[in-house]
Amino acid sequence: DAGVIQSPRHEVTEMGQEVTLRCKPISGHDYLFWYRQTMMRGLELLIYFNNNVPIDDSGMPEDRFSAKMPNASFSTLKIQPSEPRDSAVYFCASTPLAGAGYNEQFFGPGTRLTVL
Amino acid sequence: DQQVKQNSPSLSVQEGRISILNCDYTNSMFDYFLWYKKYPAEGPTFLISISSIKDKNEDGRFTVFLNKSAKHLSLHIVPSQPGDSAVYFCAASDSGNTPLVFGKGTRLSVIA
Repeated sequence: DAGVIQSPRHEVTEMGQEVTLRCKPISGHDYLFWYRQTMMRGLELLIYFNNNVPIDDSGMPEDRFSAKMPNASFSTLKIQPSEPRDSAVYFCASTPLAGAGYNEQFFGPGTRLTVL
Repeated sequence: DQQVKQNSPSLSVQEGRISILNCDYTNSMFDYFLWYKKYPAEGPTFLISISSIKDKNEDGRFTVFLNKSAKHLSLHIVPSQPGDSAVYFCAASDSGNTPLVFGKGTRLSVIA
């Protein structure tokens, strides 16, 4: 199993540009999570999906952020327009289980985003 | 308002000694706790967990202790090895399918 796949691994863009981050969860996993890691705030949940349906997007910082999961094997996180304060590492994670085991999530390697 | 707090940003330990990483939480509804380990340029990986019906869970060199009355948990690594050098995240949830809440992490350096 290849694990959770994220692309790109690094993204450098200029303020105002659109950024799209991609994630392929582990096959058979029903839950998909997007996290952001910064020095100030640590690892924070942005949004999560169950069976491709967004369940909770209360962590999405602003309307500039949007996420989609068109099918069970693909999700995107889009920032439009991007700002320097969006610079962070963005992680995608998935898990197959509900209940307590639901929390043993499998993380991708992350996308390091730098907005100049 | 941080519900899961790791008050030590970093910790340095000699190889072979015990590493103790601490975590405090404020939400009394939390009943499931996990530790994740993260190496540079990689995603966090699950290390060990404990539910609130237990006060200790052990897996090889790793032991997690839970003190519910103090809302405190700790991860003990014995003996510490250089390969344990990483960032350790404490996380918590209630078991009702709510998402994990993570602490900010503690960077452990094990010195040979």
